[in-house]
Amino acid sequence: DTGVSQNPRHKITKRGQNVTFRCDPISEHNRLYWYRQTLGQGPEFLTYFQNEAQLEKSRLLSDRFSAERPKGSFSTLEIQRTEQGDSAMYLCASSLTGINYEQYFGPGTRLTVT
Amino acid sequence: AQSVTQLGSHVSVSEGALVLLRCNYSSSVPPYLFWYVQYPNQGLQLLLKYTTGATLVKGINGFEAEFKKSETSFHLTKPSAHMSDAAEYFCAVSDRGNQGGKLIFGQGTELSVKP
Repeated sequence: DTGVSQNPRHKITKRGQNVTFRCDPISEHNRLYWYRQTLGQGPEFLTYFQNEAQLEKSRLLSDRFSAERPKGSFSTLEIQRTEQGDSAMYLCASSLTGINYEQYFGPGTRLTVT
Repeated sequence: AQSVTQLGSHVSVSEGALVLLRCNYSSSVPPYLFWYVQYPNQGLQLLLKYTTGATLVKGINGFEAEFKKSETSFHLTKPSAHMSDAAEYFCAVSDRGNQGGKLIFGQGTELSVKP
């Protein structure tokens, strides 16, 4: 069990560019979550998957954000036409239904939009 | 809609003193309850959780929390603070009816420990 991994750990991009982040969950976990955390705040839910299906998406999530989990394993989060307000830590977590309700978090990807 | 309130964005204690971090939730039915800890530039680590059964739950690193339904609270305590406890602590809830699902977090409490 290697834990949840996220790549890249840091990303600096210019406003208007597109960025993509990857999350690899714990291998047997069927649920995968994305959260965003800005400085001094608690993580804010963005979206989550159960296997390949995207089950919920935050109403706060702009149309510029899209997430996929094509084979029910890793997931990608893409932000199109980045804005300075997108600067944040993007956290991924995974869990296994039916056993317990713990979400295991990755180290996060810190995005800076200049 | 569920929500979480953590009273006190900063708490400072002396090494060896009691740690008390407060968390109140709002939910139509009692949710699952969690405390997470975050060290600088790292992800979140689960300290403890309450899903069912005994309302006093023990977690890692000597922390414990008690679920009080009548007070809609889930306060985190540790009898004796250690320097290594300095970190950001988050209380969170999830929907009991969805086998958990998304976590709703509080704003966080930064714990400082003075020597």
